[in-house]
Amino acid sequence: GAGVSQSPSNKVTEKGKDVELRCDPISGHTALYWYRQSLGQGLEFLIYFQGNSAPDKSGLPSDRFSAERTGGSVSTLTIQRTQQEDSAVYLCASSLSAGELFFGEGSRLTVL
Amino acid sequence: AQKITQTQPGMFVQEKEAVTLDCTYDTSDQSYGLFWYKQPSSGEMIFLIYQGSYDEQNATEGRYSLNFQKARKSANLVISASQLGDSAMYFCAMREGRDSSYKLIFGSGTRLLVRP
Repeated sequence: GAGVSQSPSNKVTEKGKDVELRCDPISGHTALYWYRQSLGQGLEFLIYFQGNSAPDKSGLPSDRFSAERTGGSVSTLTIQRTQQEDSAVYLCASSLSAGELFFGEGSRLTVL
Repeated sequence: AQKITQTQPGMFVQEKEAVTLDCTYDTSDQSYGLFWYKQPSSGEMIFLIYQGSYDEQNATEGRYSLNFQKARKSANLVISASQLGDSAMYFCAMREGRDSSYKLIFGSGTRLLVRP
């Protein structure tokens, strides 16, 4: 596609429910990143995929968070048993290996 | 320890003047890259400029330039001739080359407001 696509753009869920956020990177980009941005804050690194290498999961805040990337393309970020502090914008980005990151428009998650 | 530090939560600048946004970083790697991104109120992340640790010249992109002082571990963004559309959050970020994990770590950002 022309850019990084994320869905849903907005998600409202109840505390304790599971959510899945999807990211479709730019075709041909080998690297894919997930970040979390709380209101008015910076970008918190969550997880990074590079080609067929093992993902860098060092930023995942708890074991309720997981992500996978199928076929080296689409990625899904899953948050289990959501908590109110999980409310944030989840940003996905892709790049050509060590190049600049191209960001999607984000998925805004609200946990009631 | 913070990898990327932006000490200015907010900055004001008069339209048409230049402004410098500060960024310091911490790494023991010899090979690394420094990035600046702009985030307007719409929320999109816009890449502005990149500086590699081995680049001898300061990076420039139009009205943006990066004042790279390697010994001080600083990578300040200079915006010349500020425009109203420059009002946004600005994030400094670093990519280290350690162990083939090229994740990008961001600073906390600086909110710039350009006054007419």
